Amino acid sequence: GQQVKQSSPSLTVQEGGISILNCDYENDMFDYFAWYKKYPDNSPTLLISVRSNVDKREDGRLTVFLNKSGKHFSLHITASQPEDTAVYLCAAENQGGSAKLIFGEGTKLTVSS
Amino acid sequence: NSKVIQTPRYLVKGQGQKAKMRCIPEKGHPVVFWYQQNKNNEFKFLINFQNQEVLQQIDMTEKRFSAECPSNSPCSLEIQSSEAGDSALYLCASSQGQTGNTLYFGEGSRLIVV
Repeated sequence: GQQVKQSSPSLTVQEGGISILNCDYENDMFDYFAWYKKYPDNSPTLLISVRSNVDKREDGRLTVFLNKSGKHFSLHITASQPEDTAVYLCAAENQGGSAKLIFGEGTKLTVSS
Repeated sequence: NSKVIQTPRYLVKGQGQKAKMRCIPEKGHPVVFWYQQNKNNEFKFLINFQNQEVLQQIDMTEKRFSAECPSNSPCSLEIQSSEAGDSALYLCASSQGQTGNTLYFGEGSRLIVV
């Protein structure tokens, strides 16, 4: 089964608004969480990552919130801009176990001007 | 521009044919991953290597795929006998370490099995 799930295949946000992308996971041994961004016809690139010893990490307009008890993490993008339009992939792994990063299916974010 | 080089960008194979894809990881990255992005946009982990050794692989890869990362040569992923369900984008990524490290992806090899 899919260990990392993004239940929303798409999301549309007005320019200037907050984009909230959600990710759920099944394995409570996961302790590293990441968000990758993918433009059409380009390969995914890392946006931001967080380890399980923190609940929140900010980097500019990006904030990752981690809810370990709920097995859920999210990416918030403030002041969303048209250039944020892309597919966002969440990913997780167990650093102390298997060496493989498990990805979700992705959420297509469209920021409309 | 990606520093992970994948070839070919596209390949078309008949059912039962072999399909081989190659990947040159970013310089200095000892860990290489292969993922399959299928028509449902699912990123499926296939196999990873550290230097020339396999770290992990899924059952499908073990049974139907042949993969290697020889020293001083590109890594490769080969499907021994292509099936229609193998049609997908195959992405190679490299990183500096096994876990908790950024994955740098290539642009992928798109396989179409007719």
